[in-house]
Amino acid sequence: NAGVMQNPRHLVRRRGQEARLRCSPMKGHSHVYWYRQLPEEGLKFMVYLQKENIIDESGMPKERFSAEFPKEGPSILRIQQVVRGDSAAYFCASSPVPVGTQYFGPGTRLTVL
Amino acid sequence: DAKTTQPNSMESNEEEPVHLPCNHSTISGTDYIHWYRQLPSQGPEYVIHGLTSNVNNRMASLAIAEDRKSSTLILHRATLRDAAVYYCIPYSGAGSYQLTFGKGTKLSVIP
Repeated sequence: NAGVMQNPRHLVRRRGQEARLRCSPMKGHSHVYWYRQLPEEGLKFMVYLQKENIIDESGMPKERFSAEFPKEGPSILRIQQVVRGDSAAYFCASSPVPVGTQYFGPGTRLTVL
Repeated sequence: DAKTTQPNSMESNEEEPVHLPCNHSTISGTDYIHWYRQLPSQGPEYVIHGLTSNVNNRMASLAIAEDRKSSTLILHRATLRDAAVYYCIPYSGAGSYQLTFGKGTKLSVIP
């Protein structure tokens, strides 16, 4: 069974560019969660999505960040006009049911120059 | 969210058992106790979870106190691959779908 897949694993952007992070959940999972881990800090929840719906975005910064989980294809976390403070590891998790065990991907490490 | 307290770090010799404690005195009656671990430069990995009874799986055992205010993750024979940060997370999904990660316990395994 393939686990949660994230790509790219490493992403380098210059300030002001856009970053797109992709997450393919485990087979049969229709619930996706995004977390961010800043350097030397713990993981913080960002957003929870079901297919075509954002359920909880209480952890998302109010500006520049957006997420989607279309009917077909992976979930996308999009960061517009990146700044150095966006440099972090971004992890995606999926679960088969809304409050089920969350299984994490390997993460995307974003570096903003 | 229930507050958790874990030791910042622990050490174990390879092939010896390890007991990782967690206090969660404000846990609610519907919260399961989840344990995750994060190996260096990797995503968190689910280890085990339980509600009231002790639980076993191929990775570890979870011992839950009768009053549910504390629990202990038990690795029966530590290997070098078990060196990671271990997180204890009370979670029920009631009102929130997010896992709240604290600082965890950094486990070092000595060859």
